[in-house]
Amino acid sequence: GENVEQHPSTLSVQEGDSAVIKCTYSDSASNYFPWYKQELGKGPQLIIDIRSNVGEKKDQRIAVTLNKTAKHFSLHITETQPEDSAVYFCAASSNKIIFGKGTRLHILP
Amino acid sequence: SQTIHQWPATLVQPVGSPLSLECTVEGTSNPNLYWYRQAAGRGLQLLFYSVGIGQISSEVPQNLSASRPQDRQFILSSKKLLLSDSGFYLCAWNLGQATTEAFFGQGTRLTVV
Repeated sequence: GENVEQHPSTLSVQEGDSAVIKCTYSDSASNYFPWYKQELGKGPQLIIDIRSNVGEKKDQRIAVTLNKTAKHFSLHITETQPEDSAVYFCAASSNKIIFGKGTRLHILP
Repeated sequence: SQTIHQWPATLVQPVGSPLSLECTVEGTSNPNLYWYRQAAGRGLQLLFYSVGIGQISSEVPQNLSASRPQDRQFILSSKKLLLSDSGFYLCAWNLGQATTEAFFGQGTRLTVV
């Protein structure tokens, strides 16, 4: 079945440095790739997304890249801040949304 | 504006008891609806999704079931809970062919004892 692999499962980054989370997907029909941020005890919220006809998208400190040939996509957070600490999920979607297992990001002071 | 309501927020149930979790969406029509479970790790496991009334797709074999009696109502049920059913259950919705932003409810923390 469809599968989304996400790495790393845990990531600790010094405040101000960059964080990178990588995902791969198996369903070649996937054409929408959202990223969600989940804070403790809450539902995930969309932070950025990218569609299959685009290779890169940026929104302030957050950027996503997509390589459809390799079925890879990545999230890049620059100039990390304490409020970036959370669990991040990638997802791939065609007729349903399949999530990766999440990355717990710790921003160290 | 659209909103999603999910209840209850927390639930403690004994093994073997029934379960009913309800999710409703307001402010939109014909949404896609999803039930996810988040176990003690962090992963979001898709349990069920529905593209219309009475249309339910099951992703994982289990003792849970889902129903969509009305356009904006999605119910997750079990006749007899297992310890392994404990987790954080999330309802979500989006529009179109699942290629738009999904909005999540606040979740239900279920503990089976």
